[in-house]
This record gives sequence, C-alpha cells and structure tokens, in this order.
Amino acid sequence: EVQLVESGGGLVQPGRSLRLSCAASGFTFDDYAMHWVRQAPGKGLEWVSGISWNSGSIGYADSVKGRFTISRDNAKNSLYLQMNSLRAEDTALYYCAKDVLPLVAAALFDYWGQGTLVTVSS
Amino acid sequence: EIVLTQSPATLSLSPGERATLSCRASQSVSSYLAWYQQKPGQAPRLLIYDASNRATGIPARFSGSGSGTDFTLTISSLEPEDFAVYYCQQRSNWPGITFGQGTRLEIK
Repeated sequence: EVQLVESGGGLVQPGRSLRLSCAASGFTFDDYAMHWVRQAPGKGLEWVSGISWNSGSIGYADSVKGRFTISRDNAKNSLYLQMNSLRAEDTALYYCAKDVLPLVAAALFDYWGQGTLVTVSS
Repeated sequence: EIVLTQSPATLSLSPGERATLSCRASQSVSSYLAWYQQKPGQAPRLLIYDASNRATGIPARFSGSGSGTDFTLTISSLEPEDFAVYYCQQRSNWPGITFGQGTRLEIK
C-alpha cells in the first residue's frame, strides 16, 4: 500500500524558515517523480514544486521560486521542501504527491499524503 | 500561465441525476487535462487523466471528454459518495502546472 506521510508543519513568523518532509513507503520511491501541492484554508489547489526521480529536473511555481527548494533522498525514501522567507500567503496545507511517471514534467498525481499545515503569522 | 476556469462554481443535483462539469483553458492544453475529486478533510483523488482516461479503480460512471481548451467531466448517475469538490488540472507546459478553482457538487 502506497503511503505518504508529511511532517514539519507548524506556526512560523513571517520571514522565517521551515522544512517539510515526506516519508514514502509501499512503492519504489526512486522510480517516480514527486511533488508538493498546497491548499490554503478553504481554497483550491496550487502546485508548488516537483522533482524528477533522480533530482535531475526540478520546477517551481512562480509564487515560490527563489524562496523554496525541493529535494529528495532516495536512500531514505524521503522528499523535502525547504521554505525560506515565508509570507502570510504561504499559509496552507502542504501535500506530498507521487507522480505516475519518473519524469517530473508528467505532473500527474496518483497518490497524495494527508498534508501538513503551515501557518505563517506573527 | 494557463488559467483554468471551471463552471459552474456550485452544482446542486440529486442522487441518480447526471452531472456535467466544465473546465475551460485560457490556451490549448492539448489533452493534458486531469480531473480530481476532493471530499472534506481528505486529500484529492485522481479520477481522469489525459482528458478521457479513467484512473485505476475509478467507477465507469465517471467519464471525461474534450481537447484543446474545452473539457467536460460527466458523472452519469450520481451516487451519494460523489458529492464533493472537483478540480481540473493541466500539465501541458511544465513547470506551469495549474489547477482550476473547483466545482462544488452538492446534494439538492
């Protein structure tokens, strides 16, 4: 059974940093691209970032480019999102999502975690 | 950025009725359009990919159609568990991945 478990969320002040993690199990992690998708409270879905199976291809939404960094550790079956210079508008539930293919540009999400909540507020 | 506009924002129907949800793209996305279902407190679930292909385990009452800029998700006969929010998503211009704003399907 595919499982994606996010962690690392919490309350953080504007301008500070936070690192999210996603622990994957139930599939061959290094065979697939992985993504972060967020959802602000009561709002729709927003793709944040994606990384290919071998970290060779990475992409970011314009809203986070230059502030967020995605990475993965295939030996640990883990995905990460380093979030710097956080803003109030980054407040959201952050989902880790598995792609259907190794290529990050496939950007089709067949399994999702339950999310970790990030709240940016003073 | 490719903008996806979903309509209607809210659709009120009864179980057994047919639901038709629309997604319009601001420019062509070819057939790179997916549909997701999200229930309260749950993560989204992939329903349809590449406009018309059902994902694994998705019931046959869900179908998708369209290409270019206009797409439709149809639920042929609504079951009680189908009442949820539905999102379309395009993946035609990496890394500009975008979602629609969602259609809420509610019980009439």
